[in-house]
Amino acid sequence: GQQVMQIPQYQHVQEGEDFTTYCNSSTTLSNIQWYKQRPGGHPVFLIQLVKSGEVKKQKRLTFQFGEAKKNSSLHITATQTTDVGTYFCAGPLGNNFNKFYFGSGTKLNVKP
Amino acid sequence: EAGVTQFPSHSVIEKGQTVTLRCDPISGHDNLYWYRRVMGKEIKFLLHFVKESKQDESGMPNNRFLAERTGGTYSTLKVQPAELEDSGVYFCASSRVGLPETQYFGPGTRLLVL
Repeated sequence: GQQVMQIPQYQHVQEGEDFTTYCNSSTTLSNIQWYKQRPGGHPVFLIQLVKSGEVKKQKRLTFQFGEAKKNSSLHITATQTTDVGTYFCAGPLGNNFNKFYFGSGTKLNVKP
Repeated sequence: EAGVTQFPSHSVIEKGQTVTLRCDPISGHDNLYWYRRVMGKEIKFLLHFVKESKQDESGMPNNRFLAERTGGTYSTLKVQPAELEDSGVYFCASSRVGLPETQYFGPGTRLLVL
């Protein structure tokens, strides 16, 4: 079964509203990566979190890695139409640090 | 620096036919990965090469799928014979060797099996 869960599956927001997607793993992750896929495009790397409790910011995006390294979140403040796309979390499970399990993604739609 | 490229961008074939997908990783990237995304579901790991060696192919669905990376450069993924459930988007990604390293994705091949 799926080992990296992501919620919500879809989110529709009005431009200017905030958005958060959550990622949960069944096991501890050595690191977690976040990707963004624009409609019709391919996943593009956003950020990587490695340390327990780590918080990183990229302009309006805030990424958090849980203390137990089993969950993570991506928060976007004051969404813009350019934020539209599907956001995926991914992390390696098991001994192969290069075998990434992806969440099912959160599809964000921003209404102008 | 050129990105990861994949060919073809789209492929429509009939059940029972053979299709070969190609991936050219970023130059100097020894790690090469194949993933598949079925409509609305997660991006699923298929296999991982380090240079020409298969490091992990635990995600390959069955023996109808064959991946190769002769010479450690480009890789091919052959599906023979294709089945309806093989439809989806096949992504290739590459990265440098290291722990952990950013994976750079190609544009994907959209495969439709009729």
